[in-house]
Amino acid sequence: NAGVTQTPKFQVLKTGQSMTLQCAQDMNHNSMYWYRQDPGMGLRLIYYSASEGTTDKGEVPNGYNVSRLNKREFSLRLESAAPSQTSVYFCASSEVGGGTYEQYFGPGTRLTVT
Amino acid sequence: QKEVEQNSGPLSVPEGAIASLNCTYSDRGSQSFFWYRQYSGKSPELIMSIYSNGDKEDGRFTAQLNKASQYVSLLIRDSQPSDSATYLCAVGQAGTALIFGKGTTLSVSS
Repeated sequence: NAGVTQTPKFQVLKTGQSMTLQCAQDMNHNSMYWYRQDPGMGLRLIYYSASEGTTDKGEVPNGYNVSRLNKREFSLRLESAAPSQTSVYFCASSEVGGGTYEQYFGPGTRLTVT
Repeated sequence: QKEVEQNSGPLSVPEGAIASLNCTYSDRGSQSFFWYRQYSGKSPELIMSIYSNGDKEDGRFTAQLNKASQYVSLLIRDSQPSDSATYLCAVGQAGTALIFGKGTTLSVSS
C-alpha cells in the first residue's frame, strides 16, 4: 500500500515552460487536493476534487489547471511557469463520509522556476 | 475569511517535559480538527484527529477540543528529541477542504 505518490520529486523549470505534476492514491479515496507550501505562508489549497469528475478552485488557483483523470489520479498543470510558482507542492487525498475527513499527504514535489 | 491561528514558536521544552501546542479557529461551523507533524523537508503526517468536545488520547499525544471557545490543543507528554518538528493544526467542515494554520515549531532538547 503506497498511499499517495507524487512525481517528480524535484523539478527545475525556466520561466514560461510548462509541466504537469502527477499524483496517484491507492486508498480508494473520493477526494483529492493540491496544496503549495511556502516559507511563512503555510499550506495553501490550489485546487481540489471532491469526487471523480469534479474540480473546484481553492485559495490560490491562478496559473494552475487540474485534471481528475480517474478516481486514483489527480494532476496539476503549470501552463507557463513563473518564479512566483517556486514552491513545494503536496498532493493529498481523503475519504469524505462516514464521519471522518482525514487527509493523507504525498511526499511532495520541490519546484524551482528560474 | 476562515482562519486558523497558531503561535509560530519556536516552543522549546526539555526532554521528558510536556509540550503544549495551541490553535484557534474562526469558523464556528467547523466540524473536524486535526494535528499534523511535519519534519523539515518532509510532508505533513497526520497524528491526531478529533471531532467532538473533550479530550482524545493516543499514546503520548492528547488532543483537546473546545468548540465554544473555538480552541484546539495538542499535548505531548514525555517529549523526546524526535518530537522536534513543526506541528500544523487543520480545521474543516464536512465535505470541504481543510484550512491549515501556519504551524508551531517545537524543539525538544536532550
